[in-house]
This record gives sequence, C-alpha cells and structure tokens, in this order.
Amino acid sequence: GENVEQHPSTLSVQEGDSAVIKCTYSDSASNYFPWYKQELGKRPQLIIDIRSNVGEKKDQRIAVTLNKTAKHFSLHITETQPEDSAVYFCAASMDYGGSQGNLIFGKGTKLSVKP
Amino acid sequence: KAGVTQTPRYLIKTRGQQVTLSCSPISGHRSVSWYQQTPGQGLQFLFEYFSETQRNKGNFPGRFSGRQFSNSRSEMNVSTLELGDSALYLCASSLVPPSSYNSPLHFGNGTRLTVT
Repeated sequence: GENVEQHPSTLSVQEGDSAVIKCTYSDSASNYFPWYKQELGKRPQLIIDIRSNVGEKKDQRIAVTLNKTAKHFSLHITETQPEDSAVYFCAASMDYGGSQGNLIFGKGTKLSVKP
Repeated sequence: KAGVTQTPRYLIKTRGQQVTLSCSPISGHRSVSWYQQTPGQGLQFLFEYFSETQRNKGNFPGRFSGRQFSNSRSEMNVSTLELGDSALYLCASSLVPPSSYNSPLHFGNGTRLTVT
C-alpha cells in the first residue's frame, strides 16, 4: 500500500522567514495530495491540496509543488507569522476504478514560528 | 452548516473492555473515514465507508471494526481494549470519497480514548 514520509518532524523559523516541509510517497498511482494544519487541541483542517495533473498551486502565502517523477511534494510557507505555528500533515491518496482511495498521512511536522 | 460531530469527546476504559464511538458527518456527506492519532505515529487510517459499504481498511487488527448507517452516520467499535489503543480517534467526512475533485475531508474534534 501507499506510504508517505514527511520531513522534518520539527521545524523552527523566525517570523518573516520561509518554511518548507517535504513529503515523499511510494505509490505512483497516487493522484491527490492535500496538506492539513492542526493547531494545538484542534481538529486538522485542509489548507491546500494539489492533484497530479498540476505541478504547483499557490494560495496567498502558501504554495505546494509536486514532482511526479520523483514522487515528492512540498509545502512552502512564505513570510511566516506566529499564527502559522502548528503541526502540518501531508497526505496522499489514489483514485482506482470507481472506488476512491483512502488518505494516507505523513507523521507530521511541528512548525514553530518565533516572533 | 453543522460540522462533523463525534461523541463522546472523552472516554476512559479498562483493558479488556470494548468501546463504541459515534460520528455524524456533515449533512449531505456520504463518505466517512476514521483515523487514529497518537503522538508518535501521526494520523493512521483505520477505515472508510461510503454508502454503508466499507471501501478501504487500514492495517489494524480485527478488534477494530466499524459500520455506516443509511443516514451516513458511522460507528467505530474496538473490542478487547489494550493500553496501546489509547489515542485520539478522528472521524472525517466528505461529499464523495476522498480524492475526488473538490471533496476534501472535514474532520471532527475527535474522541479521546484512554485505556487504563
């Protein structure tokens, strides 16, 4: 089955700097790659997603890139702010036939943004 | 629109007991997925239901089971509880199964299960 590796497990940056989180996946059939943000004590929430038919997607300070050949995708956060501090999870799933795949998550990256 | 509702929020059980967790998806959502969240392992997929059918199952022992009702509400059952089952159990719903266009997972607040 699918396996998703996420790095780094912890990341500390200064406010205003950029943060990059990287994930690799094992199954080349995967075609959907969302990113979730989980603040302390709260539920995971989708912040951005990308499908395998595009290489990059941007939403304000957040961008995701996908390299299908290398089977890796990355989350980029620019101009970080203290409220970006949270655990970020990447995930991958595949669409096979009429039965959609499950989402397999990485183990998370704890991002700390220091003021 | 109400979000995904999970009950109860907290549970304390002893080893060997069984437990049932409940999840009500967002109105109109027909896919429900369950995840186990622990500090060391992150979010681990348990199973996914769509139209009362289990579509996918993660790598968990048979003690973990679930079902979905005709109104899309779902329950998850864990029998013969072990200490290692202590975790936050998250339910998520989507309009159609995950990975379809514009149908992201929406998570509930979870049920915190403690096994003593």
